[in-house]
Amino acid sequence: RKEVEQDPGPFNVPEGATVAFNCTYSNSASQSFFWYRQDCRKEPKLLMSVYSSGNEDGRFTAQLNRASQYISLLIRDSKLSDSATYLCAVNLRNKLTFGTGTQLKVEL
Amino acid sequence: DAGVIQSPRHEVTEMGQEVTLRCKPISGHNSLFWYRQTMMRGLELLIYFNNNVPIDDSGMPEDRFSAKMPNASFSTLKIQPSEPRDSAVYFCASRLGADSYEQYFGPGTRLTVT
Repeated sequence: RKEVEQDPGPFNVPEGATVAFNCTYSNSASQSFFWYRQDCRKEPKLLMSVYSSGNEDGRFTAQLNRASQYISLLIRDSKLSDSATYLCAVNLRNKLTFGTGTQLKVEL
Repeated sequence: DAGVIQSPRHEVTEMGQEVTLRCKPISGHNSLFWYRQTMMRGLELLIYFNNNVPIDDSGMPEDRFSAKMPNASFSTLKIQPSEPRDSAVYFCASRLGADSYEQYFGPGTRLTVT
């Protein structure tokens, strides 16, 4: 089993839709969690840290479920500019392990 | 503020040649990470440094790969000799310190070995 798993997608959604991604992790000792956004041929950029209580930043909401060992990212009112690959990252012993990413395509 | 700086941005070389990738972390960051990204394997950690000291190099593929961090503002990743399977995008990332786990990535070096 991979340490961090994501559905590769693509998720094709119309503009204005709500879309959610999940990411599962295998090691229950994982300490902290992140979502990164990566545009084509660019570097990953930190989107959000994921806190135990869940956190929200504008249209983006991230949640952590330790019991089931997954994190989620919810994007509301999706924009064309949200089209990208979303990578989850899990920190264990000071190292981040990344999922392979979920591709999102927002269409008119 | 300047982010992580990497050079070169693109490198095309022939099999057997030495390749050196360079990274300047964000000023004040104490940890530096080298990653490799390919379509097949995704983003993989190669090695990381804390306070210029290599902490974990378990991701380095083989002896052809080496990394150094001679001071807090500079690191290199060297491949000698290079092989076509080394073709990938190599990212450098830095992190503020031990209590902060967010990493910030440089623009990457796209390496092609022919």
